Amino acid sequence: DSGVTQTPKHLITATGQRVTLRCSPRSGDLSVYWYQQSLDQGLQFLIQYYNGEERAKGNILERFSAQQFPDLHSELNLSSLELGDSALYFCASSTGQGRFYEQYFGPGTRLTVT
Amino acid sequence: DAKTTQPNSMESNEEEPVHLPCNHSTISGTDYIHWYRQLPSQGPEYVIHGLTSNVNNRMASLAIAEDRKSSTLILHRATLRDAAVYYCILSMDSSYKLIFGSGTRLLVRP
Repeated sequence: DSGVTQTPKHLITATGQRVTLRCSPRSGDLSVYWYQQSLDQGLQFLIQYYNGEERAKGNILERFSAQQFPDLHSELNLSSLELGDSALYFCASSTGQGRFYEQYFGPGTRLTVT
Repeated sequence: DAKTTQPNSMESNEEEPVHLPCNHSTISGTDYIHWYRQLPSQGPEYVIHGLTSNVNNRMASLAIAEDRKSSTLILHRATLRDAAVYYCILSMDSSYKLIFGSGTRLLVRP
């Protein structure tokens, strides 16, 4: 158990819908990262927050957005869903930010768009 | 982004040591070398990381070549639970993100 929690574990929804994925980082961790894992693209970095502020952006679509709240939990919002958005979405957290901090991953949310 | 090269798959016998290689010829002086693994149906799991010197922890050892262009993750006694995809990643000075490649799938034979 990494100490990172994600809800829900599974989500099935239809194309065009909007969903929210939630992540609670390890106690004391200030950085939260979101990753997407699909069969054809592998694990891809989406976005990072540090203490409530966005710090890095990766291959995140404009239909996707995220935020980190004062209690440090984070939400990833996915809208106008397409079949290709079906994937595993992982949240990770670390104590600080930077190249020498290890990241701890949650169990993921499996999103299925039908 | 600096890239790493790993074999697609490797096999090992249970209770034998495993050496997982990684080439990173374009590494820069301040890039850290990280290893993560992903067990089936789980999120990635941190294994070890280092900069220049060899590193040991309870899970594994990391041997870094003197020129830093390659590294080897060493599992001292493989168990069935070590069957996973192992990712070698360079954590760069200017970036906070991890860039995952395709990794090495380790199969452990009983």
